[in-house]
Formats: sequence, C-alpha cells, structure tokens
Amino acid sequence: AQSVTQLDSHVSVSEGTPVLLRCNYSSSYSPSLFWYVQHPNKGLQLLLKYTSAATLVKGINGFEAEFKKSETSFHLTKPSAHMSDAAEYFCVVSETYKYIFGTGTRLKVLA
Amino acid sequence: GAGVSQSPRYKVAKRGQDVALRCDPISGHVSLFWYQQALGQGPEFLTYFQNEAQLDKSGLPSDRFFAERPEGSVSTLKIQRTQQEDSAVYLCASSWTSGHGNNEQFFGPGTRLTVL
Repeated sequence: AQSVTQLDSHVSVSEGTPVLLRCNYSSSYSPSLFWYVQHPNKGLQLLLKYTSAATLVKGINGFEAEFKKSETSFHLTKPSAHMSDAAEYFCVVSETYKYIFGTGTRLKVLA
Repeated sequence: GAGVSQSPRYKVAKRGQDVALRCDPISGHVSLFWYQQALGQGPEFLTYFQNEAQLDKSGLPSDRFFAERPEGSVSTLKIQRTQQEDSAVYLCASSWTSGHGNNEQFFGPGTRLTVL
C-alpha cells in the first residue's frame, strides 16, 4: 500500500534563509510524486512532480525536490525563503489515478 | 483560462439537511476527482470519474454520500442527512486524460461545509 509521511507539521524560517520540507513515502511500485502548495482560501497548486525521469526536479518559484529511492524520500527545498512562500505544503504519492496526500507542513516565514 | 470552479464556496447546513456541491472541471478534462479535507489534515480521496463513468467510489464514507457526472462534465457531490462529522472542505480536481499516476490534477478552491 502507498503512504506518505511529512516529518514536520510546522516549519519556521527567516526570510532569505533556506527551506527544507521533508517527505518520506511508501510504495510497492515506482510511484509518481508531487508537491502541492495551498494558500489560504486558494486551491491547491502544483509546485513540481517526479515521474521517473530526472531525480532532481525543478518546480515553480525556485523550489526543487530530489527523489532518493534508497531513502524513500522526496524532500522539498528552496535556497532562499520569501514572505510569499508562507503556506501549507503537501507531499503526494500516486501509483494509479488516486492521490495519497501527506498531512501537510505549514511553512512560516519570519521577517 | 478558466480553472476548476466549485460552488458554493461556503455552505452551512443544519444536521439532517441534504446538501449538493457542484464542480465545474476544466473544459475537455476526462478525469474528475472528489476529495475531503478535514481541518488540519491532508485531502482524502472520495471518488473518481472517467467521463460519465464512476470508476471508483471506495473513499465515500457512507451511503449518505453520492456523486454523479451525468454528461461527463459538471459533477455534483450530494450528502444526505448531514452529520457534524461531515464538516470539511470538499475539493474537486480534474485532469486531462484517463487516470495514471503521472497526470497532474488541477484543483478547485473547494467548498467549506459546516454542519451545525
């Protein structure tokens, strides 16, 4: 069975410092992996996706993630946080049509 | 271009009332999904349509929940005899092709249902 664990429910960083949001997954097959961002009262927006091509995936707004099969991880990073990055972030695993979401990480960016 | 839209955005219902939530997917999208997001949780899968066919309804919590997509476009999620535990945000998503794991799903803003 597939599952996702987001290791931190809350992360706080100062503006201009790096961001690391951690995600571990479990899957019987070669899954597709996604990161979505959810701003208050807005729909979920895709940041990036991994679909068995390059293991380092670049997304929008300077975010990237690295697929590490040996560690079953798909951590999200950004070199320099911006105030507008404050939001809820979801890691998603999918083997078929169904998305399995993690419980989310709330990112707070301090001025 | 227009994204996925949902209506109403907010719905307050008294316990026992029936509610209907509407989803307008992106035009031409074959697949449509409904998810339920409880407060402080990630979205959880409810049901999946490919065109008008409901191929998976394994996530519907009870037989009080019913979804349809009669013409393969707009979809309605109906909840009968609402209970307090039904309070959540209901998200609709659509994607271009038939369901495969690597197809991006485009999400609507959700309907926040509060059952008093």
